[in-house]
Amino acid sequence: DGGITQSPKYLFRKEGQNVTLSCEQNLNHDAMYWYRQDPGQGLRLIYYSQIVNDFQKGDIAEGYSVSREKKESFPLTVTSAQKNPTAFYLCASRTDRLSGQPQHFGDGTRLSIL
Amino acid sequence: QKEVEQNSGPLSVPEGAIASLNCTYSDRGSQSFFWYRQYSGKSPELIMFIYSNGDKEDGRFTAQLNKASQYVSLLIRDSQPSDSATYLCAGTDSWGKLQFGAGTQVVVTP
Repeated sequence: DGGITQSPKYLFRKEGQNVTLSCEQNLNHDAMYWYRQDPGQGLRLIYYSQIVNDFQKGDIAEGYSVSREKKESFPLTVTSAQKNPTAFYLCASRTDRLSGQPQHFGDGTRLSIL
Repeated sequence: QKEVEQNSGPLSVPEGAIASLNCTYSDRGSQSFFWYRQYSGKSPELIMFIYSNGDKEDGRFTAQLNKASQYVSLLIRDSQPSDSATYLCAGTDSWGKLQFGAGTQVVVTP
């Protein structure tokens, strides 16, 4: 089945530690996105990538980093510089940024501080 | 700041009634609009998308778009308890990025 797989489902970070969230898609989509959702709030864009080896900062990129070495994969690293990382992280993909097609989401990773 | 705004709710709807959700957006360049349903603790699920002025119907759901008024709405007919969720409105900017509203919580009461 085609879809977007995020792992792990739950993740705990110790102070000063970097952690990496995985996002893999087998939909052959060019564009991929990372969002953060805090309780009772909408989704805020962290980073996005429209093509392999290229990515752009979203609205809240500070304290995060990404890579896009393969079309299928768009991992997100939450660095120690992100002082308030506790949130629900969602990865999404779509055919391409110009198609007007909707984004589809993975099941999310819930990150908490130990 | 380009924004998408929704009433946070909760919107309480009797079972079998019509739920009406509203969304306004500030970016006149927005072309495509999406409604997502999000159950508590889960990821958003696409319900409807609309690109043209007017109405678009899919089963019990109808999306309405008025670009002149910068207004998008979602109607849920014959509301069911399983429709209880948060509904997120989103619009694309010229770069294809989505701007999300904070969501409207819908509670369908038996």
